Amino acid sequence: SQQGEEDPQALSIQEGENATMNCSYKTSINNLQWYRQNSGRGLVHLILIRSNEREKHSGRLRVTLDTSKKSSSLLITASRAADTASYFCATDAWAGGSARQLTFGSGTQLTVLP
Amino acid sequence: ETGVTQSPTHLIKTRGQQVTLRCSSQSGHNTVSWYQQALGQGPQFIFQYYREEENGRGNFPPRFSGLQFPNYSSELNVNALELDDSALYLCASSSRQWSGNTDTQYFGPGTRLTVL
Repeated sequence: SQQGEEDPQALSIQEGENATMNCSYKTSINNLQWYRQNSGRGLVHLILIRSNEREKHSGRLRVTLDTSKKSSSLLITASRAADTASYFCATDAWAGGSARQLTFGSGTQLTVLP
Repeated sequence: ETGVTQSPTHLIKTRGQQVTLRCSSQSGHNTVSWYQQALGQGPQFIFQYYREEENGRGNFPPRFSGLQFPNYSSELNVNALELDDSALYLCASSSRQWSGNTDTQYFGPGTRLTVL
C-alpha cells in the first residue's frame, strides 16, 4: 500500500518558475526522503529530512516537514527543463524485524516547459 | 551515478516461468532492499537483506525470494511468474549503522520485467 500521497499528481510550469509538491503520510516516521525519477529509470535521492527537523535546504531544493499534520513539501526554485521528472516522497519507518523500509507515494509528474 | 548496478536491463518471460534478477551494492554498503514499481505507481517494498539474511518483508507472496552474498551483492528470484509481475524491479543499497539506522538508500537503474 502507498503511505505517502503526493499532490498534485501532475504539474506543468514554465522554466524559471518555482514548483511546489506536497506529500501526506499516515504513520510515524524516522525520516522522510524525496526522490526523482526520469522516464521509468532508477530513483535519484534528492534530500532527507529527519522527524525532528522542520526545514532543510539543498541547492535549489527546500523541504519542509510538519509531523503534527503528517505532511511535507518540496519546493524547487528557478526550475529548469532538466527538472522534468517524476518526484516521489518516501517515508522511512520500521518494516518489522530490524528492517527499515521506504514507503513511496504515487508521485508528482513535473513538466518544465522551456 | 549511485554505484549500484543491476542486470539484466530488460527481460521478457512467459507466465509460469522463473526469473533471477541481480544487484551489486555500492561500495561500503551492507544492506540491500528490493522494490517493485508497476507502471504509473511508486515503488513497493519487497524485502531487505542484511548480513545475508532477510530481515524485513513487504506484502509479497513467498514465490518472491532473495539472496545476499558475502560481498553484499543480491539476487531477487520470482517463481511461477504471473502477468501482474510485469514491472520495474529496483534494488537499493544502504549502510546500516550500529544504531540500526540505514538512512539514505541508493537505487540502481532497475530491471524492466515483462511477463507475457
